[in-house]
Amino acid sequence: GAGVSQSPSNKVTEKGKDVELRCDPISGHTALYWYRQSLGQGLEFLIYFQGNSAPDKSGLPSDRFSAERTGGSVSTLTIQRTQQEDSAVYLCASSKTGDPLRSEQFFGPGTRLTVL
Amino acid sequence: LAKTTQPISMDSYEGQEVNITCSHNNIATNDYITWYQQFPSQGPRFIIQGYKTKVTNEVASLFIPADRKSSTLSLPRVSLSDTAVYYCLVVGRGGGNKLTFGTGTQLKVEL
Repeated sequence: GAGVSQSPSNKVTEKGKDVELRCDPISGHTALYWYRQSLGQGLEFLIYFQGNSAPDKSGLPSDRFSAERTGGSVSTLTIQRTQQEDSAVYLCASSKTGDPLRSEQFFGPGTRLTVL
Repeated sequence: LAKTTQPISMDSYEGQEVNITCSHNNIATNDYITWYQQFPSQGPRFIIQGYKTKVTNEVASLFIPADRKSSTLSLPRVSLSDTAVYYCLVVGRGGGNKLTFGTGTQLKVEL
C-alpha cells in the first residue's frame, strides 16, 4: 500500500474487555514497531518486529499486552483486561530494514483507544 | 541510557530560522541522532538523521558537535505549516528506553 494503515481508527471499550489493534505496514518493509502516545506525552516504545520475530519486547508495560506478526506483514497488538490507564493513541510504524538505530520509520495514523 | 532533553516549547515568526537543540549526554558510539516532526492527530514523520558534523537535506539541517552530546535541528525560514512537535531520537543498544521519543518540542510559528 501507499502507507502504513491501522485499524480501527478509534476504539471505545469498557474496562476489563480485550481489544485487538491491527497494523498493515508498507509492502516490503521488514521491520514493524508499536508505540503508545498518551495525551500530551511523547511516544513510548512498546515492541518491534524484524520479520515475524520480536527481538525487543522491553517496552511492553505488562503481561496484558502482547503482539504478533504473521507472514512478515500484518501485526496485531492485543491488550487483555483493559484498564483506564491503557487509554492512548497506539501508533504503528514500519521501516525497510530492521536496524532501529538507523532506519527511517514510516508511521501510520494511529488507533485512539478509550477505556471507559 | 540514551536519554534526550529538549525545550518544551518554542515560538517563532514566519521567515525566521529556528534552531532546536537536543541534549543527549549518554549517547553511545554507535548511536545515530534522528529528528521527527508530528502534527496533531498524525503519526510522526522523519525529518533528518545524522551521526556527526553537519547533515543537510531539502527541509532542514542537523548540526552535531564533535563530542556528540547534543545536536541542533535547524529549520530555515519557517512558515505557519511548520507548527508541530519536533522529537529528537537517540537510540541506545545497551538498555531500556530504546526508541523512546521523549516529550518533544512544541514549535509555534506565527505571522
